[in-house]
Amino acid sequence: ILNVEQSPQSLHVQEGDSTNFTCSFPSSNFYALHWYRWETAKSPEALFVMTLNGDEKKKGRISATLNTKEGYSYLYIKGSQPEDSATYLCAPSMDSNYQLIWGAGTKLIIKP
Amino acid sequence: NAGVTQTPKFQVLKTGQSMTLQCAQDMNHEYMSWYRQDPGMGLRLIHYSVGAGITDQGEVPNGYNVSRSTTEDFPLRLLSAAPSQTSVYFCASSSGTHLGEQYFGPGTRLTVT
Repeated sequence: ILNVEQSPQSLHVQEGDSTNFTCSFPSSNFYALHWYRWETAKSPEALFVMTLNGDEKKKGRISATLNTKEGYSYLYIKGSQPEDSATYLCAPSMDSNYQLIWGAGTKLIIKP
Repeated sequence: NAGVTQTPKFQVLKTGQSMTLQCAQDMNHEYMSWYRQDPGMGLRLIHYSVGAGITDQGEVPNGYNVSRSTTEDFPLRLLSAAPSQTSVYFCASSSGTHLGEQYFGPGTRLTVT
């Protein structure tokens, strides 16, 4: 069974502060790493997909990096805002059937 | 362009009842999947399909059936509901590549009493 770990499980951050969290995954048979954002009472929405070791993607105040050799990715949020409150999911694609293996997520709560 | 639609949004069943959760997408995606989401756990794959007429089991297929007679539709059938199937169910579709973004439906919250 492939194991995808996300840490921390939850995180309280003061508005305006920057934060980051981690996704760890097996480094063998790796094809791509997806990050999704999941707001309460909504459905997950894609943030980034990365494939190459050293990849870095950015969307506004949110960015992500990828290390495929050691099997981890970081998600960074700069200057957190209340609308950033959500659960952030990572999911590597690791088999030929394009299935994503989902982590349990990091729940981010921004305190005003 | 409605994306991925799911019905119903909420459902309460008694143990032993059967029902079908509907899922449809209008993006001409080949790949569709059903997940369940339980507290403290990641999304777990129930069944998936890589194209019309082709389905396969995911991580937690027991107690569920699927079919894919058209590209658009991918219904999930609960054969004999059990309390352990109380969960939130999401249908998703994608283009079917490693880079393909998954588009999720709004979810169905199912309670089995």
